[in-house]
Amino acid sequence: DAGVIQSPRHEVTEMGQEVTLRCKPISGHDYLFWYRQTMMRGLELLIYFNNNVPIDDSGMPEDRFSAKMPNASFSTLKIQPSEPRDSAVYFCASSQGRGNQPQHFGDGTRLSIL
Amino acid sequence: AQKITQTQPGMFVQEKEAVTLDCTYDTSDQSYGLFWYKQPSSGEMIFLIYQGSYDEQNATEGRYSLNFQKARKSANLVISASQLGDSAMYFCAMREGGTNFGNEKLTFGTGTRLTIIP
Repeated sequence: DAGVIQSPRHEVTEMGQEVTLRCKPISGHDYLFWYRQTMMRGLELLIYFNNNVPIDDSGMPEDRFSAKMPNASFSTLKIQPSEPRDSAVYFCASSQGRGNQPQHFGDGTRLSIL
Repeated sequence: AQKITQTQPGMFVQEKEAVTLDCTYDTSDQSYGLFWYKQPSSGEMIFLIYQGSYDEQNATEGRYSLNFQKARKSANLVISASQLGDSAMYFCAMREGGTNFGNEKLTFGTGTRLTIIP
């Protein structure tokens, strides 16, 4: 079975540009999560969805970040405008929920803002 | 207070030896779950093992087992017969709230970097 698919794997762009990260969750999973990983702050949850509806976006750093899930098989995380401090690895994960089910992670997008 | 504490930033272990990675947690919930993930140098996050707060037995998955001590709020990962491929970062994570609460947030520790020496 296909796992969580993220694209692109790497993104290098200049400050001020719009960045769009994409995620396809595992089929049948009701929950989708966006994380950010940095050396300084570790692994942080940004936002998560249940059945395409955002449930908790308290981890979204600021208004420059937005996430959408238009259908059960696709989600985007946008940064506009991007800043150098947004450089990080962004992970998407999905799960079936129900407590003991683990979150399955994609391979991540390594984002560098110059 | 940190919800998940991993006190060992790095560990070096001889191949074939057993290794214990420490994890302590802080929660006032009675129902919660604890997860361990492995992150190799290639960067992906791999789920290893789960322990529920009401599980009476320690979880096991192949060479991985969890030493769960509820009163001490610790959930240490034990890897038996370590292999070179076990070299990676290991993260402990907690989900608080009951199964029906709908809280699916995971809080991660800072991780332990394990290096297996041949």
